[in-house]
Amino acid sequence: SQELEQSPQSLIVQEGKNLTINCTSSKTLYGLYWYKQKYGEGLIFLMMLQKGGEEKSHEKITAKLDEKKQQSSLHITASQPSHAGIYLCGANAGGTSYGKLTFGQGTILTVHP
Amino acid sequence: EAGVAQSPRYKIIEKRQSVAFWCNPISGHATLYWYQQILGQGPKLLIQFQNNGVVDDSQLPKDRFSAERLKGVDSTLKIQPAKLEDSAVYLCASSLEFSLTDTQYFGPGTRLTVL
Repeated sequence: SQELEQSPQSLIVQEGKNLTINCTSSKTLYGLYWYKQKYGEGLIFLMMLQKGGEEKSHEKITAKLDEKKQQSSLHITASQPSHAGIYLCGANAGGTSYGKLTFGQGTILTVHP
Repeated sequence: EAGVAQSPRYKIIEKRQSVAFWCNPISGHATLYWYQQILGQGPKLLIQFQNNGVVDDSQLPKDRFSAERLKGVDSTLKIQPAKLEDSAVYLCASSLEFSLTDTQYFGPGTRLTVL
């Protein structure tokens, strides 16, 4: 079965600093999703990457997909307290498991004002 | 557009009791998912419906968990009887189609505490 490893597990930064979260898959990636979660709440969709080398941005958040390395990175520029939360990567297992997402364990981001 | 609705938001029960969660997906979404998220972990898929048919329930503990999606819209997830290890957030998600790259949209979740 597919496994996703996120690093770091937690991150504490000062407001205004840049940061990067990584997600590495044990198998081929057919689609890589990034979600944000506030503690005890649902997941908010950020973006989806499908093709190797693809890069997407939304406001100050940029995600990239390196298909060969089976890895994705999420970069936040000039972090703000509103960026705090749990970031989760999810990937589609492919094959007959259409739609079934496997998630990483999450990265807890704290931003100090 | 209204998002995925779930109720209740919180539930506290004693072990061996029964509990049910309700989910209303985004209008027009054919695929519905139930995930279990234990504290400190990523969500784990329990069951996936395509309209009112089950596509994948391989990770659903069928001796105590059951789910249905009558008429292909709302869904109910039931636990009977509950165990301490069932304490988790139960998330419902929906997507428009049944494909490799369709985005899943999540509800706010139901936090279950089993005492």
